[in-house]
Amino acid sequence: ETGVTQSPTHLIKTRGQQVTLRCSSQSGHNTVSWYQQALGQGPQFIFQYYREEENGRGNFPPRFSGLQFPNYSSELNVNALELDDSALYLCASSQSGGAEETQYFGPGTRLLVL
Amino acid sequence: GDSVTQMEGPVTLSEEAFLTINCTYTATGYPSLFWYVQYPGEGLQLLLKATKADDKGSNKGFEATYRKETTSFHLEKGSVQVSDSAVYFCALSDRRGRLYFGRGTQLTVWP
Repeated sequence: ETGVTQSPTHLIKTRGQQVTLRCSSQSGHNTVSWYQQALGQGPQFIFQYYREEENGRGNFPPRFSGLQFPNYSSELNVNALELDDSALYLCASSQSGGAEETQYFGPGTRLLVL
Repeated sequence: GDSVTQMEGPVTLSEEAFLTINCTYTATGYPSLFWYVQYPGEGLQLLLKATKADDKGSNKGFEATYRKETTSFHLEKGSVQVSDSAVYFCALSDRRGRLYFGRGTQLTVWP
């Protein structure tokens, strides 16, 4: 069974650019959530996708957007990058997104904005 | 809104010492509670969870009990090992499956 994978592992961008991060969910999982983890902080919920539809969003501006594909993989897009967007971006998948479900995390993409 | 407050670190212990990391939560409804662990350079791994009041989660010698009356989910281990050195995150999951994390507690265990 393949776990959650993310690409790329590291990325360096400059302010104002756009970035796309990718996530492949664990086999059999139809729900993907994205989290932002700033240095020394706990992860913060960005949004969740369930069967290709956005299913809830945290306190992030519209320049953070996402997609989920028919195979349940997902993308996180960030436009007009700001210095504060520098963080570890974590993707997590679960079977159906309920409160009791365990979310399985990928290794993350570390984004540095200069 | 929903939130988690956990003991700030860093925590430094000698091998075989007793570990407690405090975690309290604020939530509407009945959340599920989790402890995740993050080893250097890695993503988060589930350590244990509890989905209703009075449930005890346990794994690898770690335990935590879901206490609704004190809104707490403290992590304990009777005898820590060097390999337990990591950052530990307490989290709650709301009814829609969104996780809310504490700030994390860095644990270092010396031989």
